[in-house]
Formats: sequence, structure tokens, C-alpha cells
Amino acid sequence: GESVGLHLPTLSVQEGDNSIINCAYSNSASDYFIWYKQESGKGPQFIIDIRSNMDKRQGQRVTVLLNKTVKHLSLQIAATQPGDSAVYFCAENSSGGSYIPTFGRGTSLIVHP
Amino acid sequence: NAGVTQTPKFRVLKTGQSMTLLCAQDMNHEYMYWYRQDPGMGLRLIHYSVGEGTTAKGEVPDGYNVSRLKKQNFLLGLESAAPSQTSVYFCASSWGSRQPQHFGDGTRLSIL
Repeated sequence: GESVGLHLPTLSVQEGDNSIINCAYSNSASDYFIWYKQESGKGPQFIIDIRSNMDKRQGQRVTVLLNKTVKHLSLQIAATQPGDSAVYFCAENSSGGSYIPTFGRGTSLIVHP
Repeated sequence: NAGVTQTPKFRVLKTGQSMTLLCAQDMNHEYMYWYRQDPGMGLRLIHYSVGEGTTAKGEVPDGYNVSRLKKQNFLLGLESAAPSQTSVYFCASSWGSRQPQHFGDGTRLSIL
């Protein structure tokens, strides 16, 4: 999962496995969360988002889970494929008029064929 | 539909030189952002804009200036480049602060 430090956390999985990428946040006022995927040499790309009135949201092969009690967010990728290899970022935004989302440092997902 | 386009894609500068990074979006988004990304550091917000003619400072604004004269364009300027500004710069836009951001593919800037 996400952590402070100069080296990105890395998750290595086999093709076909399910992947779970974790993200912890600290701001109890955060109420909007987004997951982005960044492939090498490209900009981040939106995957899925969730608002704090939900605890689960599903997309195509992806599910985001939100646990507000422990301030934890996870991204689950089903049947991981080599094309899923990338860095995944979570971002949060809070109520109260803030225009600035806060990004985590990212987790590198490596999918082995 | 081009989305967010950044110009140039690569640039090498000498210390003290100035330059402007260009960002254009064709989605009629109100919000635009400039980030820098350094190894292991994630995305750090430099400046942002909530509409044409507005700008505001982000987390790391020192050494940079921005302008949003037209809704579709957001310019990032370096007046006197320093080696610490070597980074990959990303521009993004969104409908609002609580909407997904759309990113360009970055400008890779090296300052010698």
C-alpha cells in the first residue's frame, strides 16, 4: 500500500490473480476519493471514484472499498493482466471548499505473465 | 478529441534560463492544475486555477508563475530555471474540485 518514503511500494502478482492496492488517508473530512493509473511515460488516468456516502463501488474488473472508520481505501483488480502493470495513485478531497486534492505517493503493480 | 495537450514534451535548459510550458484542454473544464512529479514523491501541486482569469498557489509554488488568460489554456512559467526544478510536469483539468482530473502526458524538463 501507500507509504511515506522515497521508494514506491511494489506489489508483484501473477497474471490472472486478483490484486489489492491499499491507501490510508488521515483527513477525517475527506469525502471524495479517486484512483488513478499511471503507465510509464504517460500521465495519470482516472480509473474509479467513490464518495463517502458509499462504502463500495464497482467498475469493469475494478472495485473500490472505503472504510471511513479506519480511514482506509482499497482498489481491487480482478483477473490481473500484464496491461495492468503501472503505478496506482489514490487521491482524496475534503468538504469545506478545498480545491486541492491530495495524492498518495503511489504503488507500483507488476504483473508477471 | 485531444483532451489535455502539453507542449513541449521534452526540454533541456541551462540554469538561469526562462521558459513557458503550455497546457491546452478542449473539454471546456473550469479547473486546471499544474503538478510536478519527482521519483518516489508522487504528484505535488504547483498552482491551480478555478476559472478563466484566476490562479492560486498550491503546495510548491516557489519559482513558478502561471496565467489563465483563456479558459482552455493554462501556462506555467519558470523565470530563472534552477537544477531543483528538473522534473516531469503534468497539467490536468476537471469540471470541478470534486470531479476526476484529466491529465496530459507530461513535459520532461531537465535543467543543467
